[in-house]
Amino acid sequence: GAGVSQSPSNKVTEKGKDVELRCDPISGHTALYWYRQSLGQGLEFLIYFQGNSAPDKSGLPSDRFSAERTGGSVSTLTIQRTQQEDSAVYLCASSPGTSGVEQYFGPGTRLTVT
Amino acid sequence: GESVGLHLPTLSVQEGDNSIINCAYSNSASDYFIWYKQESGKGPQFIIDIRSNMDKRQGQRVTVLLNKTVKHLSLQIAATQPGDSAVYFCAEKGGAQKLVFGQGTRLTINP
Repeated sequence: GAGVSQSPSNKVTEKGKDVELRCDPISGHTALYWYRQSLGQGLEFLIYFQGNSAPDKSGLPSDRFSAERTGGSVSTLTIQRTQQEDSAVYLCASSPGTSGVEQYFGPGTRLTVT
Repeated sequence: GESVGLHLPTLSVQEGDNSIINCAYSNSASDYFIWYKQESGKGPQFIIDIRSNMDKRQGQRVTVLLNKTVKHLSLQIAATQPGDSAVYFCAEKGGAQKLVFGQGTRLTINP
């Protein structure tokens, strides 16, 4: 079946511009996660959605970052006034239940801020 | 705070040999420990997990060992194949649903 998809696959933007990154999770998965991966580094948790519960935003690095999940499915991560240090691969994952142990990742969006 | 670290950033093994990837963790309250594999240009892929009340779990060609005394986790891959070349991440999960990932070990399989 279809996996997690993300768009765009690559995004180049100028410093100070806003960007929106999209994630389409696997159908029926109630949990959705956003992570950031800098070059050669591990994954940094950003935000977690579970069903209709309030999201866990504890990983968002600043108030320039926000995310929403509409209708319990598609999610958008928005970065306002982008900075060069925002350059990274942004990964989305979904999982079917509440354990969060086995997460299914998308291919990521590579963001470059010039 | 939570942190998960790895002993070695790179590991090279001969095709057909066994490989062992190590990981140290610091959060004794984590209830699951997980290994993910990330191939170039792709998102991480779940390999295997182990619950904190276990010390060993086997999968297909992989074995995960958990030593809670020294807070150490390892992934053993038997009879490595070229397709095993990737970056391997350990991760831990505590009470919250998020995973805390380590920095990764790059495994290279030499022909």
